[in-house]
Amino acid sequence: RKEVEQDPGPFNVPEGATVAFNCTYSNSASQSFFWYRQDCRKEPKLLMSVYSSGNEDGRFTAQLNRASQYISLLIRDSKLSDSATYLCVVKKIRNDYKLSFGAGTTVTVRA
Amino acid sequence: DTAVSQTPKYLVTQMGNDKSIKCEQNLGHDTMYWYKQDSKKFLKIMFSYNNKELIINETVPNRFSPKSPDKAHLNLHINSLELGDSAVYFCASSQLFGLAGGNEQFFGPGTRLTVL
Repeated sequence: RKEVEQDPGPFNVPEGATVAFNCTYSNSASQSFFWYRQDCRKEPKLLMSVYSSGNEDGRFTAQLNRASQYISLLIRDSKLSDSATYLCVVKKIRNDYKLSFGAGTTVTVRA
Repeated sequence: DTAVSQTPKYLVTQMGNDKSIKCEQNLGHDTMYWYKQDSKKFLKIMFSYNNKELIINETVPNRFSPKSPDKAHLNLHINSLELGDSAVYFCASSQLFGLAGGNEQFFGPGTRLTVL
């Protein structure tokens, strides 16, 4: 079983729609969670960290469910510029150097 | 100013050749990484250095040898290139005690390696 698994998508949504997707992780001892965004042929960039209580950053909401070992990302009022691959990232130990990346969920927002 | 830079951006070479990719960061970070992203887009850690010391060495063929002359530079040398080495190689850097107790990693633009 992979450490981090994601539905690859693609999720094709119209502008203004809400889209949500999950990521599951295998190690129950995992401590830190992140969503990174990767545009086509570009490098990954941090979108947001995921906190235990859930957190929002503008139109983006991240949730963590430790019992079921998954994190989620919800995008409200989708924009064309939200089209990208969203990478779920997990760190086992708080001050560890190593991040485990999922293969990504592709979102395409159409006009 | 570019935070993490890599050269070259594209590298096309024949099987059996030896090649190097260079990475530099001007963020003052202590830790640098090499990742490989294959055709399935899966991003996998290869190596990490902290203050010039190797701290992560995943299961990577010993044809791959990283070198860190100082904490701002991490180079990757690949001997006897094989077809399966074709991928995008990303360099990244971070501070250990960073964002939310995690370590936000800043990535370079990637080096697209094609082995013919």
